[in-house]
Amino acid sequence: QKEVEQNSGPLSVPEGAIASLNCTYSDRVSQSFFWYRQYSGKSPELIMSIYSNGDKEDGRFTAQLNKASQYVSLLIRDSQPSDSATYLCAVNRGYGGSQGNLIFGKGTKLSVKP
Amino acid sequence: DADVTQTPRNRITKTGKRIMLECSQTKGHDRMYWYRQDPGLGLRLIYYSFDVKDINKGEISDGYSVSRQAQAKFSLSLESAIPNQTALYFCATSDHKTSGTSTDTQYFGPGTRLTVL
Repeated sequence: QKEVEQNSGPLSVPEGAIASLNCTYSDRVSQSFFWYRQYSGKSPELIMSIYSNGDKEDGRFTAQLNKASQYVSLLIRDSQPSDSATYLCAVNRGYGGSQGNLIFGKGTKLSVKP
Repeated sequence: DADVTQTPRNRITKTGKRIMLECSQTKGHDRMYWYRQDPGLGLRLIYYSFDVKDINKGEISDGYSVSRQAQAKFSLSLESAIPNQTALYFCATSDHKTSGTSTDTQYFGPGTRLTVL
């Protein structure tokens, strides 16, 4: 089992729709969960972090965490063409010599069509 | 000014050449990382450093070396560049706390696009 898994996409949604991005992870003791947005050729940019079970909202973005199911998701409401990017899920390593390092998924490519 | 900077931003070099990529940060973080990114392969960790005297190999360290010159500076060297090291390279920093809650958020530099001919 891969440590952090994401559907590679591409996920295509029409402008104004809700985009739903999903991620599962294997490390049961992870405590920090992140969503990064990466435009082509650019560096990853943090858009959401979540540490507790439940939902966390920030503007059009909502992160959802379910530690029992080892599942984290990102919802983007009122999707805009400028949201078209690759979204990386990241989870911190909760044990061992590299505790605190982030484990990244390979990313889901989102395309928002006007 | 950017918190994490990388130089150069673009570099074209030839097979067999030695090349150094540099990273500087003003965030005051102890931890620094070097990643490479190839299409379809995601981010892969090359080396990481928890402080000036603590340097560790990541998943793909062969062909690379690093130096942590100061808390704020972490450089990556390719001793003898080869074409399959053509990639986008990112430096990142984080602040890990050993007691209490540690977010471990990583902040990335703008990247270096390296082409080895």
